[in-house]
Amino acid sequence: GQQVMQIPQYQHVQEGEDFTTYCNSSTTLSNIQWYKQRPGGHPVFLIQLVKSGEVKKQKRLTFQFGEAKKNSSLHITATQTTDVGTYFCAGRWGNNRLAFGKGNQVVVIP
Amino acid sequence: GAGVSQSPSNKVTEKGKDVELRCDPISGHTALYWYRQSLGQGLEFLIYFQGNSAPDKSGLPSDRFSAERTGGSVSTLTIQRTQQEDSAVYLCASSQEGATYNEQFFGPGTRLTVL
Repeated sequence: GQQVMQIPQYQHVQEGEDFTTYCNSSTTLSNIQWYKQRPGGHPVFLIQLVKSGEVKKQKRLTFQFGEAKKNSSLHITATQTTDVGTYFCAGRWGNNRLAFGKGNQVVVIP
Repeated sequence: GAGVSQSPSNKVTEKGKDVELRCDPISGHTALYWYRQSLGQGLEFLIYFQGNSAPDKSGLPSDRFSAERTGGSVSTLTIQRTQQEDSAVYLCASSQEGATYNEQFFGPGTRLTVL
């Protein structure tokens, strides 16, 4: 079935630095969602992107949807220890069910 | 309002026994998903219910796994003749398909340990 690929799978980030995580599909997406799962918790919805080239910001987080609607990125600035966790993207093609990527596990180094 | 709830929160069972995991979705949500997550791993899709449509069972790993959703609400995931490799956290999520923002709301999960 269709799937989204996330890179990298793991990241170690120094507190205060920026990092980006990527999500790619081989075919055009209807929309893409991002979720965050804290250690020991369950995934929590962050945002949904629908339009080609869309950019949305949430404080230190910037989400982008590519012009071709085949890729997306999440960029976090000035990383804090509270940013630790796994970031999942989830893509939808047409009216099919949402499909999650394998996640990007982020460790923050104080 | 109330979120997605799952029970039990923890289940320890012996190899070969059957287990039933329950999910109570958010009232009114038409879609319900089951996922499995092993320690430090991603979300493994198991099954998807959407309204009155036939469920998408494409993610069930073997015929020991089955799920039903009664009355379009509560769902039960059954694992027969459990094996040690079934040990994982089982997550349920619900969403309002067709809405502008159809994000999935996850329950806290059931941690299954097969001895």
